[in-house]
Amino acid sequence: EAQVTQNPRYLITVTGKKLTVTCSQNMNHEYMSWYRQDPGLGLRQIYYSMNVEVTDKGDVPEGYKVSRKEKRNFPLILESPSPNQTSLYFCASSLGVGTDTQYFGPGTRLTVL
Amino acid sequence: TQLLEQSPQFLSIQEGENLTVYCNSSSVFSSLQWYRQEPGEGPVLLVTVVTGGEVKKLKRLTFQFGDARKDSSLHITAAQPGDTGLYLCAPRSGNTPLVFGKGTRLSVIA
Repeated sequence: EAQVTQNPRYLITVTGKKLTVTCSQNMNHEYMSWYRQDPGLGLRQIYYSMNVEVTDKGDVPEGYKVSRKEKRNFPLILESPSPNQTSLYFCASSLGVGTDTQYFGPGTRLTVL
Repeated sequence: TQLLEQSPQFLSIQEGENLTVYCNSSSVFSSLQWYRQEPGEGPVLLVTVVTGGEVKKLKRLTFQFGDARKDSSLHITAAQPGDTGLYLCAPRSGNTPLVFGKGTRLSVIA
């Protein structure tokens, strides 16, 4: 089944404790991205990647890192999480950028205490 | 960053009613996508419109792209509880990354 998977789905952590949210797609998509979704602010892009080893900042990249060593994986890294990073995170992938369909993962609900 | 506005922000209607939600911007777009997000899930693509003035139908949903390609509307006929969700528009300018509006949260009451 074609899908985007994220892990974990739920995470409660404490300020400063490094964490990684994994994202994997099995559709051989070139383009992958991370969003955070907050009430009243909508979906905001954190980072995106047009291809392997190519990553770019989105609208809200501060406090996050990403890597794209393989086409299928695009992990989101929070080196020192803070409470303002408490949010619902979505990974998405598409064949390209243009008019291509974005396929979203199921989301990761992160709480930073 | 382009200015993108979706209206209304919230809409609560009775089953069987019709409704229209809007996506407006001051920028011209090459295409525009509409997504629906149900509670606890990621957004799912409903439609992509590409040509100014284009109208696309998906069962009871009718999507229109403005003639000037700056705006779009989504009309739902005879809404059902299964239409409940967050409707997001995502305009595109060439190959720039996807930017989403804040969405219209629709609640259809049986």
